[in-house]
Amino acid sequence: GAGVSQSPSNKVTEKGKDVELRCDPISGHTALYWYRQSLGQGLEFLIYFQGNSAPDKSGLPSDRFSAERTGGSVSTLTIQRTQQEDSAVYLCASRLGGLNTEAFFGQGTRLTVV
Amino acid sequence: RKEVEQDPGPFNVPEGATVAFNCTYSNSASQSFFWYRQDCRKEPKLLMSVYSSGNEDGRFTAQLNRASQYISLLIRDSKLSDSATYLCVVNPPSGSARQLTFGSGTQLTVLP
Repeated sequence: GAGVSQSPSNKVTEKGKDVELRCDPISGHTALYWYRQSLGQGLEFLIYFQGNSAPDKSGLPSDRFSAERTGGSVSTLTIQRTQQEDSAVYLCASRLGGLNTEAFFGQGTRLTVV
Repeated sequence: RKEVEQDPGPFNVPEGATVAFNCTYSNSASQSFFWYRQDCRKEPKLLMSVYSSGNEDGRFTAQLNRASQYISLLIRDSKLSDSATYLCVVNPPSGSARQLTFGSGTQLTVLP
């Protein structure tokens, strides 16, 4: 596709269930980011993948959160045992990886934990 | 100190006004800078890169002050459609574990 694609666009889940959020970056983009944005708040960094390097997981808020990127392309963010405070929009972005390259965002997954 | 700081606003200005936002960053070795725009309930999109010598794109002017470690965005002749949240973005030095640090955003509302 032409842009970053995220699925699902909306997800409602019950507290305690696990969820998987998917991100398809732009083809050829080596850098991939996950952010979280609560209503009316700024972007909270979660995790960063760059090529084959070890990901920067420093933004993951707890061990219930994990992410992987297979084959340097598609990424999945998994939240285990969801809590109500996990409700937010989860945004994925990709970029070519150079210093001055633009980051392109997907439209996000709106997660609601009830 | 936060890596990137912005005045959250809100800035409420009348149509046609000139408005300016500043954004300060803590890492003096930061390499590149951007302004993104985020409309309500939408994803952020690049507005413009910020070059060392300053740059202009129509009604928008971006400036970089490395000595004082801030970037600025000036919007002239503001339009209703400029209402959005403006995010400054800083790229730390190459080799940092993480790149692309976002400020928390400045909210602008242009009033008729």
